[in-house]
Amino acid sequence: AQSVTQLDSQVPVFEEAPVELRCNYSSSVSVYLFWYVQYPNQGLQLLLKYLSGSTLVKGINGFEAEFNKSQTSFHLRKPSVHISDTAEYFCAVSYTGGFKTIFGAGTRLFVKA
Amino acid sequence: NAGVTQTPKFRILKIGQSMTLQCTQDMNHNYMYWYRQDPGMGLKLIYYSVGAGITDKGEVPNGYNVSRSTTEDFPLRLELAAPSQTSVYFCASSPGTSGRASTGELFFGEGSRLTVL
Repeated sequence: AQSVTQLDSQVPVFEEAPVELRCNYSSSVSVYLFWYVQYPNQGLQLLLKYLSGSTLVKGINGFEAEFNKSQTSFHLRKPSVHISDTAEYFCAVSYTGGFKTIFGAGTRLFVKA
Repeated sequence: NAGVTQTPKFRILKIGQSMTLQCTQDMNHNYMYWYRQDPGMGLKLIYYSVGAGITDKGEVPNGYNVSRSTTEDFPLRLELAAPSQTSVYFCASSPGTSGRASTGELFFGEGSRLTVL
């Protein structure tokens, strides 16, 4: 079965520190990969996406992610976080040739002053 | 620029009642989806549609029904509400050519919080 695993349910970090949110997916076929962010009481919005090409993808708000096909991973990174980055982050995968997007369980990022 | 609009934002139902969550999008997207979000569980796909008149089940369809009579609207019907349906429901849409695979990039509504007591 297709699945997405986010390895950390919560990540506390101090302001201006770097952060990495980890994501692995199961696949034997080509995929499209996404990170979405959800601020409290809001819907999800796209942070970045990998469809093809360069494995290093840059998104909004200074976030970036690297697609690693051999390790089936798509980890999200930011070199210096801000208080305003406190939110829940979801990794998602869509399999090429399909219509559905599957989400991980989410990682709650807490940025402390 | 409305995007995906969901109504109502909040609703409390009694066990056994029925209701419809409305979803409309103004981006002319062919693909539309309903997800439910439960704490620590991520989003689970309930139903999806690849075009007007075409719907299919997702991971957790039991207790729900959908219809897609127009490109813009994709209502979700809850029949005989149960406490297990207490959740936050998100409608989403995705661009693409009808009948051809989507890239999977989703545009979300703001959600509908449903409580069944």
